[in-house]
Amino acid sequence: GNSVTQMEGPVTLSEEAFLTINCTYTATGYPSLFWYVQYPGEGLQLLLKATKADDKGSNKGFEATYRKETTSFHLEKGSVQVSDSAVYFCALKSRGGGSNYKLTFGKGTLLTVNP
Amino acid sequence: GAGVSQSPRYKVAKRGQDVALRCDPISGHVSLFWYQQALGQGPEFLTYFQNEAQLDKSGLPSDRFFAERPEGSVSTLKIQRTQQEDSAVYLCASSTQAGDYNEQFFGPGTRLTVL
Repeated sequence: GNSVTQMEGPVTLSEEAFLTINCTYTATGYPSLFWYVQYPGEGLQLLLKATKADDKGSNKGFEATYRKETTSFHLEKGSVQVSDSAVYFCALKSRGGGSNYKLTFGKGTLLTVNP
Repeated sequence: GAGVSQSPRYKVAKRGQDVALRCDPISGHVSLFWYQQALGQGPEFLTYFQNEAQLDKSGLPSDRFFAERPEGSVSTLKIQRTQQEDSAVYLCASSTQAGDYNEQFFGPGTRLTVL
C-alpha cells in the first residue's frame, strides 16, 4: 500500500534561515506528490505539487523536486519568515486506477520560525 | 468565494452518545471526502462521494461510522455510540472532480472529544 514518511518535528528556526523538511514515500505505481500546509486555526491548504519525475513544484518561495530514484519529495525554502510557522504535510495520490482520489499523508512537521 | 465549511467546530461527547458532523462543500463541487486526523498524525481517508453516491467507504473504522450526502451537496458524518478512540479532528474536503489532477479543498475541521 501507499505510505509517506516525513521528518519528525518540531523544527525551530530563526527568521531567514534555510529550511529542509524531508519526505520519502512508498507507492504502487507512479504517484502524484503534494505538500500541504496548515496554519493555526485554519484548514489544510495545498502548498505545491508535482506529478512526474524531476518535476519541481514551487509556491511562496517553497520548492520540492519529485525524485523517483530516491522516492523523495523534500520541501525547501531558502529564507523562512515568521509567517511560515505552521504544520507541513507531505502527501501522495496514486495515478490512474480505481483510487486516484485518496490522499495519503505523512504525520506532519511543525515548523516554528522565531524573529 | 466561500470555502468548505464544517460545523460544529468543536464537539464534546460522552462515551456512548451519537454525534453528527456537518460539511458544506464549495458550491458546484461534485466530489466530497472525509478524513480523520488523530492527534499528532496526518489525516487518514474515511470515505468519498461523487454527487450523492458514496463510491468508497473503505476507510470507515467501524460500522458505527456512517456518512451521507443525500442531495449531492451537504454531507453529514455520523458516529454512533462514540468511543474514546473516536476522538480526533474530522476533516471534510471537496473538489470539482475526483481525479489525481484535481485539488482537494479542505475545511477547518471538527474537533471531536469523547469523554
